[in-house]
Amino acid sequence: GEDVEQSLFLSVREGDSSVINCTYTDSSSTYLYWYKQEPGAGLQLLTYIFSNMDMKQDQRLTVLLNKKDKHLSLRIADTQTGDSAIYFCAEKENSGYSTLTFGKGTMLLVSP
Amino acid sequence: DGGITQSPKYLFRKEGQNVTLSCEQNLNHDAMYWYRQDPGQGLRLIYYSQIVNDFQKGDIAEGYSVSREKKESFPLTVTSAQKNPTAFYLCASSTRAGGPYNEQFFGPGTRLTVL
Repeated sequence: GEDVEQSLFLSVREGDSSVINCTYTDSSSTYLYWYKQEPGAGLQLLTYIFSNMDMKQDQRLTVLLNKKDKHLSLRIADTQTGDSAIYFCAEKENSGYSTLTFGKGTMLLVSP
Repeated sequence: DGGITQSPKYLFRKEGQNVTLSCEQNLNHDAMYWYRQDPGQGLRLIYYSQIVNDFQKGDIAEGYSVSREKKESFPLTVTSAQKNPTAFYLCASSTRAGGPYNEQFFGPGTRLTVL
């Protein structure tokens, strides 16, 4: 089955860039997603990238996709304390009615 | 104001009791999902439903049951057969489960604690 792996923890200083990495195993993935979860809350979709794209930029967020290595990254520029949260990578398989497969999440801690 | 609501936010139950978690959406979405979240485990899919009166087991369905009698509602029952029910439960919905694009919208979650 599909598997999505993420590092569990990242700590940065306010104003620095954060890079959260994700690897996936399913070569037939069509869409890859980044979700954000604040403490005690549900997940909020941050951005997504289609598998035929290499990069997508949306304000402070940049998503890079390396299909050959099955590696996805989320870069947050000028990281703020409000960015402290858990970030989940998820992939959607391109086969019928498949559901999303989530990674275990990366906890981002931003210190002043 | 469209969205997904889950109630209650916190729920306490005694061991051996069944408990039902509510999930309602007014987004007119066909598909709905239940996930369980444990620390360090990420999200694990319990059940999902693509259409009214139909649902499929996810990765960890044992000890849970669901119904989908209305498009807007997808309640989850945690039965006494679930060996470790204490967790954070998240409900989600999407326009449909199939197709290449499947943005899921999440509710705020219910934290269930079994004493």
